[in-house]
Amino acid sequence: ETGVTQTPRHLVMGMTNKKSLKCEQHLGHNAMYWYKQSAKKPLELMFVYSLEERVENNSVPSRFSPECPNSSHLFLHLHTLQPEDSALYLCASSQEQHHGYTFGSGTRLTVV
Amino acid sequence: GENVEQHPSTLSVQEGDSAVIKCTYSDSASNYFPWYKQELGKRPQLIIDIRSNVGEKKDQRIAVTLNKTAKHFSLHITETQPEDSAVYFCAARPDRGSTLGRLYFGRGTQLTVWP
Repeated sequence: ETGVTQTPRHLVMGMTNKKSLKCEQHLGHNAMYWYKQSAKKPLELMFVYSLEERVENNSVPSRFSPECPNSSHLFLHLHTLQPEDSALYLCASSQEQHHGYTFGSGTRLTVV
Repeated sequence: GENVEQHPSTLSVQEGDSAVIKCTYSDSASNYFPWYKQELGKRPQLIIDIRSNVGEKKDQRIAVTLNKTAKHFSLHITETQPEDSAVYFCAARPDRGSTLGRLYFGRGTQLTVWP
């Protein structure tokens, strides 16, 4: 394990379902990120949290709702998703300026 | 904001040959440049990084060079092996308080090493 754990690893959901992705880090990092990775597309930043405060929302549709209850946990709540939302969702953490990101293993999401 | 361009998008080499991936960035305030390797079905992993006060850094078969004046940096892999096959991402981090450590990624390079 890298220190950043994501669950579940795989998720299949219908367009009317509500589900949540979870990310947990015990590296003492103070910033956490959600990225979307689709086939043949670059890594797309979705949300940035620093010290539990959302500091960036990169024009993400409201059907994605992040939550950061403390510096170790980050959630992505999903509802009424579309098939084009199918992708690998990666969580990452960092200690601001000092180091690069540590990524989680991702959640492979399929919307049917 | 920062814009990172990465080339080529795909690269095929014979085992034992060298591979070079190039990135350019736009923000002169960027001072940290990591490279990530993502194998199929796995998470991106940091393989090497360089800071703006250094021109070159090497770790065994992997090296990174940085030209601050031209705003470009490159990844060099020597004596390539099939297990080097993966997608490689470059990134840049501007030293501005408002970005809070955010990385800006290139689009990735799919490297294939043929045995």
